[in-house]
Amino acid sequence: ILNVEQSPQSLHVQEGDSTNFTCSFPSSNFYALHWYRWETAKSPEALFVMTLNGDEKKKGRISATLNTKEGYSYLYIKGSQPEDSATYLCALNSGYSTLTFGKGTMLLVSP
Amino acid sequence: EAGVAQSPRYKIIEKRQSVAFWCNPISGHATLYWYQQILGQGPKLLIQFQNNGVVDDSQLPKDRFSAERLKGVDSTLKIQPAKLEDSAVYLCASSLGAGYSPLHFGNGTRLTVT
Repeated sequence: ILNVEQSPQSLHVQEGDSTNFTCSFPSSNFYALHWYRWETAKSPEALFVMTLNGDEKKKGRISATLNTKEGYSYLYIKGSQPEDSATYLCALNSGYSTLTFGKGTMLLVSP
Repeated sequence: EAGVAQSPRYKIIEKRQSVAFWCNPISGHATLYWYQQILGQGPKLLIQFQNNGVVDDSQLPKDRFSAERLKGVDSTLKIQPAKLEDSAVYLCASSLGAGYSPLHFGNGTRLTVT
């Protein structure tokens, strides 16, 4: 079973603050790294799927980077808004389309 | 496109009772997943289907859990008999199947075993 670690476990920021989270994974047998956002009472929603070392993806105020050689990915949120409050999950695909999820980072953005 | 449909949304049962969850994936998605998410933990894969064949069920407690995917479309997950530690959110997801295809999740079923 692969070990996917996320930090911090939770984060509380003020509206307008920028923030970032880390996802660490074993760098061997890497195939793809997924990021999902899970808002309370809703279904998890895909943010990014990253496959190439050095890849950087952006969606509005959210962006992510990937380092497959050292086994980590960062998720950045610029100018956090209350609607960004959610649990952010990363998941590693090491082949065969099976995903191993981390425990998530719970973000709370206060107005 | 219509999303992944799951039912029921909530279920409360007593230990040793049985329960079943249903999932209808996005049309055309070959791969279907059942995940269990216990409070404070990340989603754990229970079983993964490719069409109607099982790809991975290594973490499925087969003495009490069973799952099937009829005709490669709908799927049901059953627990019999339930234990207290089965209290969790059960998520169904589907994807086109390639490792770089994102998963599309249903709203989940929150199961409470008392």
